[in-house]
Amino acid sequence: EPEVTQTPSHQVTQMGQEVILRCVPISNHLYFYWYRQILGQKVEFLVSFYNNEISEKSEIFDDQFSVERPDGSNFTLKIRSTKLEDSAMYFCASSGRDLWAEQFFGPGTRLTVL
Amino acid sequence: RKEVEQDPGPFNVPEGATVAFNCTYSNSASQSFFWYRQDCRKEPKLLMSVYSSGNEDGRFTAQLNRASQYISLLIRDSKLSDSATYLCVVNKARTGANNLFFGTGTRLTVIP
Repeated sequence: EPEVTQTPSHQVTQMGQEVILRCVPISNHLYFYWYRQILGQKVEFLVSFYNNEISEKSEIFDDQFSVERPDGSNFTLKIRSTKLEDSAMYFCASSGRDLWAEQFFGPGTRLTVL
Repeated sequence: RKEVEQDPGPFNVPEGATVAFNCTYSNSASQSFFWYRQDCRKEPKLLMSVYSSGNEDGRFTAQLNRASQYISLLIRDSKLSDSATYLCVVNKARTGANNLFFGTGTRLTVIP
């Protein structure tokens, strides 16, 4: 069964450093998303991406965040200058040809900012 | 008002029991509704979509009441493997966007 993959599974970084989280969505999916979950809290939407551009972004997704689909298979989330409060689990998700289709989540990257 | 509200539980039930979870949502224009399950420190996994006509998948039954903005999940004959957090999920319902709003989840523990 096709699945979303994410790397790395765990990233530890110093405050102020840049991190890039990588995702490979399901191959025939067209819609891509990033969500985050701070430990003990609910899953929160960050950004959606379709047709090589951002469809929508939340208040959390400020100028420190960016997304890219550099090569038609990878989908990346970059945090330019990490803050302590960026520590969270980051999930990538993708969905198929229908905008309203179910979203399938990757296993997540646990980001720890020291 | 929160986009999605759920009773956080925990629900501790014996094997074989029937358990029901409820959820309310605030955006009457929402189009898509889902139940996901999340195991500890894992990703949300789609359990089932929820339709106005109600839908059933084995031991799981989901119902949607648009008038009351209310979603339910019924689990019959609970198994130990059903122990997880159940997330009520609703989409934002805006043209060109399908970002999801998650509830805080309801924790279920099935006891032998």
